Amino acid sequence: GQSLEQPSEVTAVEGAIVQINCTYQTSGFYGLSWYQQHDGGAPTFLSYNALDGLEETGRFSSFLSRSDSYGYLLLQELQMKDSASYFCAAMDSSYKLIFGSGTRLLVRP
Amino acid sequence: NAGVTQTPKFQVLKTGQSMTLQCAQDMNHNSMYWYRQDPGMGLRLIYYSASEGTTDKGEVPNGYNVSRLNKREFSLRLESAAPSQTSVYFCASSELGKHNEQFFGPGTRLTVL
Repeated sequence: GQSLEQPSEVTAVEGAIVQINCTYQTSGFYGLSWYQQHDGGAPTFLSYNALDGLEETGRFSSFLSRSDSYGYLLLQELQMKDSASYFCAAMDSSYKLIFGSGTRLLVRP
Repeated sequence: NAGVTQTPKFQVLKTGQSMTLQCAQDMNHNSMYWYRQDPGMGLRLIYYSASEGTTDKGEVPNGYNVSRLNKREFSLRLESAAPSQTSVYFCASSELGKHNEQFFGPGTRLTVL
């Protein structure tokens, strides 16, 4: 099976940079996805890493290190609208996503 | 395009009642999924359908059944609801070969009394 660990809550200031870490334990691993979910809303896909390294999508970047079973989501130039929960999700060998418990990001003015 | 739609948005059931949650997608996706999300937690996969005509169990299938009616529609049935099934239920879909990028519906908030 798989399990993922991520911090439960992170607070940052508007305009700053924040990193949300995710470590995973897996018996079969194809890649790591990141999703954003605003309160009361549906999860929306942000990024995916199948290979080691950094993927950049606008203000958001995601990193994966398979040797360390570790990844992170980096959010730059934080805006108030970035206040949300962020989930890492590992794709297993049967192409199912296993989600972490989520990190609640609070952006302060 | 409406994306992924779910009905109903809210539902209250009594213990032992049955109901079916409906999900449809208009993106011509092959794969569809049902998740539940409990307060302060991530999503847990209940059932999924990799393609039309196939369904498989996820992490928490007990107490649920699914039907992949056609390529567009994937329903979730609770035969005898229990308070432990109080949750928010999300349906999702993805393109063939892109299981990592799933598109979610708005969710159904279910309370079982």
